[in-house]
Order: sequence, then structure tokens, then C-alpha cells
Amino acid sequence: DGGITQSPKYLFRKEGQNVTLSCEQNLNHDAMYWYRQDPGQGLRLIYYSQIVNDFQKGDIAEGYSVSREKKESFPLTVTSAQKNPTAFYLCASSFSHLGGNYGYTFGSGTRLTVV
Amino acid sequence: GQSLEQPSEVTAVEGAIVQINCTYQTSGFYGLSWYQQHDGGAPTFLSYNALDGLEETGRFSSFLSRSDSYGYLLLQELQMKDSASYFCAGLSGNTPLVFGKGTRLSVIA
Repeated sequence: DGGITQSPKYLFRKEGQNVTLSCEQNLNHDAMYWYRQDPGQGLRLIYYSQIVNDFQKGDIAEGYSVSREKKESFPLTVTSAQKNPTAFYLCASSFSHLGGNYGYTFGSGTRLTVV
Repeated sequence: GQSLEQPSEVTAVEGAIVQINCTYQTSGFYGLSWYQQHDGGAPTFLSYNALDGLEETGRFSSFLSRSDSYGYLLLQELQMKDSASYFCAGLSGNTPLVFGKGTRLSVIA
């Protein structure tokens, strides 16, 4: 079955550490996204990529980095420069960045906690 | 940029009908989507309106009025499993979806 897989489900980060969140999709989608969700808040866009080897910053890109070396994969690194990284991170994909009638398909998320 | 406003919480009785409203401010607007998210889960796509009018999918319907920059999600024959957060999301210009802050729906017996 096609889908989008995020790992790990839970991640704990120490102060000053970089951590990488994995996102893999087998839906043959061109576009991939990373959103951050804080309690009681909507989803805020961190980074997105419309094609391989290309990505753009979203509204809250500071302290994060991404790569898109393969169509299927879009990992997110939370760097030590991100001062408040505790949140629920959601990866999504779609046939095109417009989404439209097909919508975005989301992974099950990674809950990151700073300890 | 875009902004979407929706009520933070709504409570409704099992078997009833509930409407969740969404107003938006955006330029180059393409359409409005709705997503459902259960606690701790992933958002799932419910509907997309590019044109004015009502789109029906089973118990769920979604409406868009471009002239009023307004849309709503209508849930009929409410079930306990419909208790979740519902997000409207706007598509415009050449940018990905922008989400509202979500409406938490509680269905009570």
C-alpha cells in the first residue's frame, strides 16, 4: 500500500544537539512538505520541495534544514539554532504543490521533545 | 500573506448537524480545503472547493463563497467518532497550503 512514513514517532533532543527526522513516501508524489504543529495551533510551514534537488523556505524555516536528494525522501534536521523545537512535526506530500482535489497526504508525525 | 479564521471550539449533540465556518484573507486565491485530525494523529483530507457552491461527500459537505471570502464544513448525522479538530486550509498563488488554527469539535451524547 502506498503511503508516507515518518520516523521516529517520538524523539528526545538534548540542548545543543542536531536531530534529523525521516520522511519517506512511495506515492510517486512530486511535492513534499514539513509542517510544525504546537498544542492548540494550526500547522505552520517549515520547508517545502516541488522537485528533487530543490526546496524553498516556509514561514518558520529558521533553525531547520532539509535536503531532497531523492523523490521519495525529504528529511528535516532540527539544528541547535532552533531555540524552541518541542513540537509535533508533520511531513506531507502531494502530486503538485497545488494539492487541489487530491489533497495532501500526511505522515503520522514525529513528536520532538527537548530534555 | 494569507490568514484563515475559524472558531476554536464547537460542541454538538450526537445525531445533529454542525457547521464550522472559515473566513479567509488572501490574494490569488485558488481554493479552500478541509482536513480532519484526531488527537495525536495525522490530518486527513476531507474536501476541496475551487468553485462557489456546495460539494457533498457522504455525511460531510463543504461550501465556498469567493465573493464573501467564506467557506464552511457541514457535518450531518454526527457520530462520536467525528470528535476531532477540523482545519480549513487555503491555496493561493504559488505557495503550499496555509492552515487555519483549527476548530475542536466535541460530539456529546
